Amino acid sequence: QSVLTQPPSASGTPGQRVTISCSGSSSNIGSNYVYWYQQLPGTAPKLLIYRNNQRPSGVPDRFSGSKSGTSASLAISGLRSEDEADYYCAAWDDSLSGPVFGTGTKVTVL
Amino acid sequence: QLQLQESGPGLVKPSETLSLTCTVSGGSISSSSYYWGWIRQPPGKGLEWIGSIYYSGSTYYNPSLKSRVTISVDTSKNQFSLKLSSVTAADTAVYYCARHEWELPPDYWGQGTLVTVSS
Repeated sequence: QSVLTQPPSASGTPGQRVTISCSGSSSNIGSNYVYWYQQLPGTAPKLLIYRNNQRPSGVPDRFSGSKSGTSASLAISGLRSEDEADYYCAAWDDSLSGPVFGTGTKVTVL
Repeated sequence: QLQLQESGPGLVKPSETLSLTCTVSGGSISSSSYYWGWIRQPPGKGLEWIGSIYYSGSTYYNPSLKSRVTISVDTSKNQFSLKLSSVTAADTAVYYCARHEWELPPDYWGQGTLVTVSS
């Protein structure tokens, strides 16, 4: 059961900027860090953004994250064909005492 | 480089118990900073946290599955395990093991293993 709400789809042409939103509540995004994952078909989620806006080593700076209140966003600038994937947000939930995940957004490169 | 690898049967009969093991390499499961968790993803659907364990044996379960879940750890083998009882078709999913810090989502994931519940 997904607690964080994302748009089901987003799209853009190569080179464009795409933004994905993630909406939660005071018990998760409102009081904890947001993470973002990229999931290519048939593979495990790959960490893209941690602690709201930090990129792990090897993740291009085309990917950026932000958080405000109980919502967060992932931006992909300079969209490339290899960015076509599913993207999930996640945050710790204080009520659950565990992580909760977003509903997922499928990004299509037109 | 830390690696996690799930193993176990890919097919389980309804009403039986699903059992999976995650082997951790490239790091110690006894690290004081980390928790070790299980997350699942039904085909075509989103991610659901099942539960987590600390190397000391302390466990934390998703209330929606708590009555059927047991997670255990074997520090001598650098492994942790999942048991999910009384499975139904709704438990068919890719099961991932992962590492996380307390109050943070996972940073490292295993490759995942598909478990199908069918007679």
